[in-house]
Amino acid sequence: GNSVTQMEGPVTLSEEAFLTINCTYTATGYPSLFWYVQYPGEGLQLLLKATKADDKGSNKGFEATYRKETTSFHLEKGSVQVSDSAVYFCALRNTGNQFYFGTGTSLTVIP
Amino acid sequence: GAGVSQSPRYKVAKRGQDVALRCDPISGHVSLFWYQQALGQGPEFLTYFQNEAQLDKSGLPSDRFFAERPEGSVSTLKIQRTQQEDSAVYLCASSPDLTGNTEAFFGQGTRLTVV
Repeated sequence: GNSVTQMEGPVTLSEEAFLTINCTYTATGYPSLFWYVQYPGEGLQLLLKATKADDKGSNKGFEATYRKETTSFHLEKGSVQVSDSAVYFCALRNTGNQFYFGTGTSLTVIP
Repeated sequence: GAGVSQSPRYKVAKRGQDVALRCDPISGHVSLFWYQQALGQGPEFLTYFQNEAQLDKSGLPSDRFFAERPEGSVSTLKIQRTQQEDSAVYLCASSPDLTGNTEAFFGQGTRLTVV
């Protein structure tokens, strides 16, 4: 079947620290992988995506690389800001068309 | 804006009441999804439409849940005889095509509280 496992939160970091949020997946076939972000009081927004193995998605200083050999799509950012405080969701979309989401990782960045 | 619009944003229902949640997807988007998000959890799939056809309703938790998209645009999620366990945020999303590569665009959700 299809599923996504995310690093448990919450995560608290100081401003300018390095961020990693781990995500691994189980899927049949060749899914596309996504990171969504949910800021307080807002809906889910796409952060980045990768559609095939070894692709790197990037946006707003965040990066994630589609690793088929380790079935992973870890989210990284070199220097977080207070404005990055949000909940981050890893997701996959397979040929069946529905999206499968992880449970979310809450990030708080303190000045 | 031209994003996905959901209404109402908040709904309080008495146990046993029927509710209807509306989703206006982005114009021209073929795929439409409904998800249920409990507090502190990730979205859980409910149902999927391709135009007006409901291709997957495997996530609907009971026969009290019903969704429709009669003209391939606006969709309604109906919950009959609401129970306390139905309290959650209901998210609608749309996607422009049928491939598995394309992201979904989400609305802000309807927060349903059953009292």
